[in-house]
Amino acid sequence: AQRVTQPEKLLSVFKGAPVELKCNYSYSGSPELFWYVQYSRQRLQLLLRHISRESIKGFTADLNKGETSFHLKKPFAQEEDSAMYYCALRLTSWGKLQFGAGTQVVVTP
Amino acid sequence: DVKVTQSSRYLVKRTGEKVFLECVQDMDHENMFWYRQDPGLGLRLIYFSYDVKMKEKGDIPEGYSVSREKKERFSLILESASTNQTSMYLCASSFRRVTLAEYSTDTQYFGPGTRLTVL
Repeated sequence: AQRVTQPEKLLSVFKGAPVELKCNYSYSGSPELFWYVQYSRQRLQLLLRHISRESIKGFTADLNKGETSFHLKKPFAQEEDSAMYYCALRLTSWGKLQFGAGTQVVVTP
Repeated sequence: DVKVTQSSRYLVKRTGEKVFLECVQDMDHENMFWYRQDPGLGLRLIYFSYDVKMKEKGDIPEGYSVSREKKERFSLILESASTNQTSMYLCASSFRRVTLAEYSTDTQYFGPGTRLTVL
Protein backbone atom coordinates (compact mmCIF):
# COMPACT_ATOMS: atom_id res chain seq x y z
CA ALA A 1 0.00 0.00 0.00
CA GLN A 2 1.14 3.49 -0.72
CA ARG A 3 2.03 5.45 2.36
CA VAL A 4 3.67 8.67 3.45
CA THR A 5 5.19 8.85 6.92
CA GLN A 6 6.17 12.00 8.76
CA PRO A 7 7.55 10.76 12.08
CA GLU A 8 7.66 14.12 13.85
CA LYS A 9 4.39 15.74 14.89
CA LEU A 10 6.16 18.77 16.30
CA LEU A 11 9.55 20.26 15.63
CA SER A 12 10.74 23.14 17.76
CA VAL A 13 13.90 24.97 16.65
CA PHE A 14 15.65 28.21 17.45
CA LYS A 15 15.91 30.99 14.92
CA GLY A 16 19.08 30.58 12.89
CA ALA A 17 19.38 26.85 13.59
CA PRO A 18 19.09 24.24 10.84
CA VAL A 19 15.78 22.48 10.46
CA GLU A 20 15.05 19.13 8.84
CA LEU A 21 11.60 17.64 8.42
CA LYS A 22 11.55 13.94 7.71
CA CYS A 23 9.37 12.24 5.15
CA ASN A 24 9.48 8.59 4.12
CA TYR A 25 7.29 6.98 1.52
CA SER A 26 6.25 3.57 0.32
CA TYR A 27 5.34 3.32 -3.34
CA SER A 28 5.80 0.67 -5.98
CA GLY A 29 5.88 3.03 -8.95
CA SER A 30 8.06 5.97 -9.90
CA PRO A 31 7.43 8.49 -7.12
CA GLU A 32 6.62 12.15 -7.39
CA LEU A 33 6.84 13.96 -4.09
CA PHE A 34 5.82 17.35 -2.80
CA TRP A 35 5.94 19.50 0.28
CA TYR A 36 2.87 21.59 1.09
CA VAL A 37 2.82 24.24 3.80
CA GLN A 38 0.07 25.91 5.80
CA TYR A 39 0.94 29.11 7.65
CA SER A 40 -1.29 30.27 10.47
CA ARG A 41 -4.69 31.44 9.17
CA GLN A 42 -3.63 30.84 5.55
CA ARG A 43 -4.49 28.27 2.94
CA LEU A 44 -2.55 25.14 2.34
CA GLN A 45 -0.16 25.79 -0.55
CA LEU A 46 2.55 24.04 -2.50
CA LEU A 47 6.05 24.72 -1.20
CA LEU A 48 8.10 22.62 -3.57
CA ARG A 49 8.12 19.48 -5.69
CA HIS A 50 11.06 17.15 -6.17
CA ILE A 51 10.87 17.12 -9.93
CA SER A 52 11.63 20.83 -10.26
CA ARG A 53 14.67 20.67 -7.94
CA GLU A 54 14.04 24.20 -6.71
CA SER A 55 14.95 26.00 -3.53
CA ILE A 56 11.90 27.83 -2.23
CA LYS A 57 12.17 30.23 0.72
CA GLY A 58 15.55 28.66 1.46
CA PHE A 59 14.09 25.15 1.67
CA THR A 60 15.38 22.23 -0.36
CA ALA A 61 14.36 18.59 -0.54
CA ASP A 62 16.13 15.74 -2.25
CA LEU A 63 14.43 12.57 -3.31
CA ASN A 64 16.43 9.56 -2.11
CA LYS A 65 14.99 6.50 -3.80
CA GLY A 66 17.35 4.14 -1.99
CA GLU A 67 16.14 5.31 1.40
CA THR A 68 12.64 6.15 0.09
CA SER A 69 12.90 9.56 1.68
CA PHE A 70 12.15 13.16 0.77
CA HIS A 71 13.35 15.19 3.73
CA LEU A 72 12.85 18.97 3.77
CA LYS A 73 15.80 21.06 4.92
CA LYS A 74 16.68 24.65 5.62
CA PRO A 75 20.08 25.69 6.96
CA PHE A 76 18.91 28.70 8.97
CA ALA A 77 15.34 28.69 10.27
CA GLN A 78 13.41 31.96 10.44
CA GLU A 79 10.41 32.82 12.61
CA GLU A 80 8.24 33.08 9.50
CA ASP A 81 8.94 29.40 8.81
CA SER A 82 6.64 28.47 11.68
CA ALA A 83 3.86 26.50 10.01
CA MET A 84 2.39 23.05 9.41
CA TYR A 85 4.23 21.11 6.73
CA TYR A 86 2.82 18.16 4.82
CA CYS A 87 4.70 15.73 2.64
CA ALA A 88 2.65 14.33 -0.25
CA LEU A 89 3.04 11.55 -2.80
CA ARG A 90 1.37 11.65 -6.20
CA LEU A 91 -0.48 8.40 -6.77
CA THR A 92 -2.33 8.52 -10.06
CA SER A 93 -2.28 10.07 -13.49
CA TRP A 94 -5.24 12.18 -12.35
CA GLY A 95 -3.07 13.87 -9.76
CA LYS A 96 -4.42 12.23 -6.65
CA LEU A 97 -2.12 12.91 -3.69
CA GLN A 98 -1.47 10.90 -0.53
CA PHE A 99 -0.57 13.22 2.35
CA GLY A 100 1.42 12.51 5.46
CA ALA A 101 0.16 13.38 8.94
CA GLY A 102 2.02 16.66 8.97
CA THR A 103 4.79 18.24 11.06
CA GLN A 104 4.19 21.42 13.02
CA VAL A 105 7.32 23.59 13.00
CA VAL A 106 7.77 26.24 15.67
CA VAL A 107 10.72 28.59 15.33
CA THR A 108 11.49 30.49 18.51
CA PRO A 109 13.64 33.63 18.68
CA ASP B 1 -4.57 34.45 -9.21
CA VAL B 2 -6.22 31.08 -8.68
CA LYS B 3 -9.23 31.37 -6.50
CA VAL B 4 -10.91 28.49 -4.73
CA THR B 5 -13.77 29.53 -2.50
CA GLN B 6 -15.80 27.57 -0.01
CA SER B 7 -19.33 28.52 0.94
CA SER B 8 -18.81 28.73 4.70
CA ARG B 9 -15.87 29.29 6.99
CA TYR B 10 -17.63 27.87 10.04
CA LEU B 11 -20.68 25.63 10.22
CA VAL B 12 -22.51 24.12 13.18
CA LYS B 13 -25.03 21.37 12.54
CA ARG B 14 -26.96 18.84 14.55
CA THR B 15 -26.63 15.07 14.34
CA GLY B 16 -28.80 13.68 11.56
CA GLU B 17 -28.97 16.89 9.54
CA LYS B 18 -28.15 16.91 5.85
CA VAL B 19 -25.16 19.17 5.24
CA PHE B 20 -23.99 20.74 2.00
CA LEU B 21 -20.47 22.11 1.58
CA GLU B 22 -19.88 24.03 -1.62
CA CYS B 23 -16.64 24.70 -3.43
CA VAL B 24 -16.15 26.94 -6.46
CA GLN B 25 -13.01 27.50 -8.53
CA ASP B 26 -12.49 30.08 -11.22
CA MET B 27 -9.53 28.61 -13.12
CA ASP B 28 -11.30 26.14 -15.41
CA HIS B 29 -9.62 23.23 -13.58
CA GLU B 30 -10.67 19.72 -14.54
CA ASN B 31 -9.85 18.16 -11.18
CA MET B 32 -11.54 18.95 -7.88
CA PHE B 33 -10.98 17.31 -4.53
CA TRP B 34 -12.54 17.17 -1.06
CA TYR B 35 -10.32 16.42 1.94
CA ARG B 36 -10.82 16.40 5.64
CA GLN B 37 -8.00 17.65 7.84
CA ASP B 38 -7.64 16.24 11.33
CA PRO B 39 -4.76 16.71 13.80
CA GLY B 40 -2.42 13.75 13.74
CA LEU B 41 -4.07 12.31 10.64
CA GLY B 42 -3.14 14.93 8.08
CA LEU B 43 -5.28 15.33 4.98
CA ARG B 44 -7.42 12.43 3.90
CA LEU B 45 -9.12 12.37 0.54
CA ILE B 46 -12.88 11.92 0.67
CA TYR B 47 -13.81 12.18 -3.02
CA PHE B 48 -12.40 13.65 -6.16
CA SER B 49 -13.75 14.52 -9.57
CA TYR B 50 -11.82 14.69 -12.80
CA ASP B 51 -14.62 16.02 -14.96
CA VAL B 52 -18.21 17.17 -14.82
CA LYS B 53 -20.48 14.43 -13.47
CA MET B 54 -17.44 12.19 -12.90
CA LYS B 55 -16.39 11.22 -9.40
CA GLU B 56 -14.12 8.75 -7.69
CA LYS B 57 -14.04 7.64 -4.07
CA GLY B 58 -11.05 8.62 -2.05
CA ASP B 59 -9.77 6.99 1.11
CA ILE B 60 -12.70 7.81 3.41
CA PRO B 61 -15.91 8.15 1.37
CA GLU B 62 -18.24 6.54 3.92
CA GLY B 63 -20.98 8.90 5.05
CA TYR B 64 -20.31 11.36 2.22
CA SER B 65 -21.47 11.92 -1.32
CA VAL B 66 -20.53 14.52 -3.92
CA SER B 67 -22.01 16.33 -6.85
CA ARG B 68 -20.37 18.01 -9.81
CA GLU B 69 -22.96 19.38 -12.20
CA LYS B 70 -20.78 22.23 -13.45
CA LYS B 71 -17.06 22.33 -14.02
CA GLU B 72 -16.44 25.11 -11.53
CA ARG B 73 -18.49 23.72 -8.64
CA PHE B 74 -17.97 20.64 -6.49
CA SER B 75 -20.30 19.92 -3.60
CA LEU B 76 -19.75 17.65 -0.63
CA ILE B 77 -22.87 16.23 0.99
CA LEU B 78 -23.19 14.69 4.40
CA GLU B 79 -26.45 12.78 4.11
CA SER B 80 -26.92 12.42 7.87
CA ALA B 81 -24.29 14.27 9.85
CA SER B 82 -22.67 12.50 12.77
CA THR B 83 -20.38 13.77 15.51
CA ASN B 84 -17.39 11.92 14.05
CA GLN B 85 -17.69 14.11 10.97
CA THR B 86 -16.70 17.15 13.00
CA SER B 87 -13.60 18.31 11.17
CA MET B 88 -11.96 20.87 8.90
CA TYR B 89 -12.96 20.28 5.28
CA LEU B 90 -10.68 21.46 2.50
CA CYS B 91 -11.53 21.73 -1.16
CA ALA B 92 -8.84 21.80 -3.84
CA SER B 93 -8.66 22.02 -7.59
CA SER B 94 -6.05 21.46 -10.29
CA PHE B 95 -5.55 21.06 -14.00
CA ARG B 96 -5.30 17.54 -15.29
CA ARG B 97 -1.75 16.96 -16.48
CA VAL B 98 -1.37 15.08 -19.73
CA THR B 99 2.39 14.52 -19.87
CA LEU B 100 5.20 14.52 -17.32
CA ALA B 101 6.66 17.53 -19.09
CA GLU B 102 3.67 19.49 -17.81
CA TYR B 103 4.61 18.71 -14.22
CA SER B 104 4.05 22.26 -13.05
CA THR B 105 0.50 22.42 -14.29
CA ASP B 106 -1.32 20.19 -11.84
CA THR B 107 -0.52 21.91 -8.59
CA GLN B 108 -3.46 21.57 -6.25
CA TYR B 109 -4.89 24.90 -5.09
CA PHE B 110 -6.77 24.86 -1.85
CA GLY B 111 -9.72 26.74 -0.50
CA PRO B 112 -9.72 28.39 2.94
CA GLY B 113 -11.50 25.45 4.57
CA THR B 114 -14.81 24.94 6.34
CA ARG B 115 -14.71 24.05 10.01
CA LEU B 116 -17.75 21.86 10.59
CA THR B 117 -18.98 21.06 14.06
CA VAL B 118 -21.69 18.43 14.46
CA LEU B 119 -23.44 18.52 17.82
